[in-house]
Amino acid sequence: DAKTTQPPSMDCAEGRAANLPCNHSTISGNEYVYWYRQIHSQGPQYIIHGLKNNETNEMASLIITEDRKSSTLILPHATLRDTAVYYCIVRWAGAGSYQLTFGKGTKLSVIP
Amino acid sequence: DTGVSQDPRHKITKRGQNVTFRCDPISEHNRLYWYRQTLGQGPEFLTYFQNEAQLEKSRLLSDRFSAERPKGSFSTLEIQRTEQGDSAMYLCASSLERGSTDTQYFGPGTRLTVL
Repeated sequence: DAKTTQPPSMDCAEGRAANLPCNHSTISGNEYVYWYRQIHSQGPQYIIHGLKNNETNEMASLIITEDRKSSTLILPHATLRDTAVYYCIVRWAGAGSYQLTFGKGTKLSVIP
Repeated sequence: DTGVSQDPRHKITKRGQNVTFRCDPISEHNRLYWYRQTLGQGPEFLTYFQNEAQLEKSRLLSDRFSAERPKGSFSTLEIQRTEQGDSAMYLCASSLERGSTDTQYFGPGTRLTVL
């Protein structure tokens, strides 16, 4: 799986949009971008994933650049409960290994 | 709640003892995964089942570790002769095979402390 690079930490004011970047410059055509988050002492929570197109669900939006070398997770109106470690993961979509390879993620702190 | 459940949530044991953790996946999910997470690190893959077959094991899964999923439903992870280095959060995830991709949903984890 391609490696991802994320900033170690970010701050965001409550009520503002949180934009979390991720670089995955070696991503291949058959690899998806997944985002998970982990609130302190809980299991990781799935947020969203995409291949080429931008995606939106009730939690967030995922913007993938046209060359697919980077992506941004957007939380439109951050709340204190969004304080967590956010993991960007690139995952092979073909048959074979289905494991998720987590990095250290970005620690997002939402500030009142 | 129909999410992934894990039992126990916390386990404290003495070095050298055996421990067993249980994971109940989301109903009808045919894939089940075990991960381990140490302090300050992201989760690391240990092993994966499709139905009852264990299809992949990480090199992290030493011979003291064994996982089973006897009927393709719940799974157990046993650690024999625990060591202090085994202290970690053990996470279980499940997914439903769906074409070329699936989404893994994680349980709350079992936190193991080896004294």
